[in-house]
Amino acid sequence: GESVGLHLPTLSVQEGDNSIINCAYSNSASDYFIWYKQESGKGPQFIIDIRSNMDKRQGQRVTVLLNKTVKHLSLQIAATQPGDSAVYFCAEYRRGSGTYKYIFGTGTRLKVLA
Amino acid sequence: DSGVTQTPKHLITATGQRVTLRCSPRSGDLSVYWYQQSLDQGLQFLIQYYNGEERAKGNILERFSAQQFPDLHSELNLSSLELGDSALYFCASSLGQGYEAFFGQGTRLTVV
Repeated sequence: GESVGLHLPTLSVQEGDNSIINCAYSNSASDYFIWYKQESGKGPQFIIDIRSNMDKRQGQRVTVLLNKTVKHLSLQIAATQPGDSAVYFCAEYRRGSGTYKYIFGTGTRLKVLA
Repeated sequence: DSGVTQTPKHLITATGQRVTLRCSPRSGDLSVYWYQQSLDQGLQFLIQYYNGEERAKGNILERFSAQQFPDLHSELNLSSLELGDSALYFCASSLGQGYEAFFGQGTRLTVV
């Protein structure tokens, strides 16, 4: 099916280090992107979003970078904490033929090591 | 709590049966999205409604259907269930097009 991003990899980081999670998207016409965090047994939780007229957006401990030239999105988490352990999904908001939908990548599992 | 409510949380049913999953969007949200998530898989977009009208279709089987009612709640109907339909089904809502979508906690469907 339609998808954005890579096969589910696992990123292991030491507590306190910075984490960088990457995502590639395929549709250059997409103009809105969201990062979600999904903890085991729960629904995806909104983290941060960015529109295509921006290159960078910062939140609390998180930064999203958008490189439209290479169609690449990244999520940076500063001072990673055990509570950050989860699967992270990028979502691309795609318009086409009068319809609009969010297309999700397969996700990246983040493991925080104590 | 995202404000999106899904019921039931768990559902176990036999092959060939039909079930209905329900979603109440956040107050004020007009768009409702349905997603399927199989074990260790990403979120597969099924269908979207906006203010009662179907707006987008994804990888939704013909055995599946959905609707959004005047009060904006939505139902996803799954019929002639197969073992492979076992998955988490998520509903999300957003204010409209191009706004962040908030997810419910999902319905875990097990077909035996």
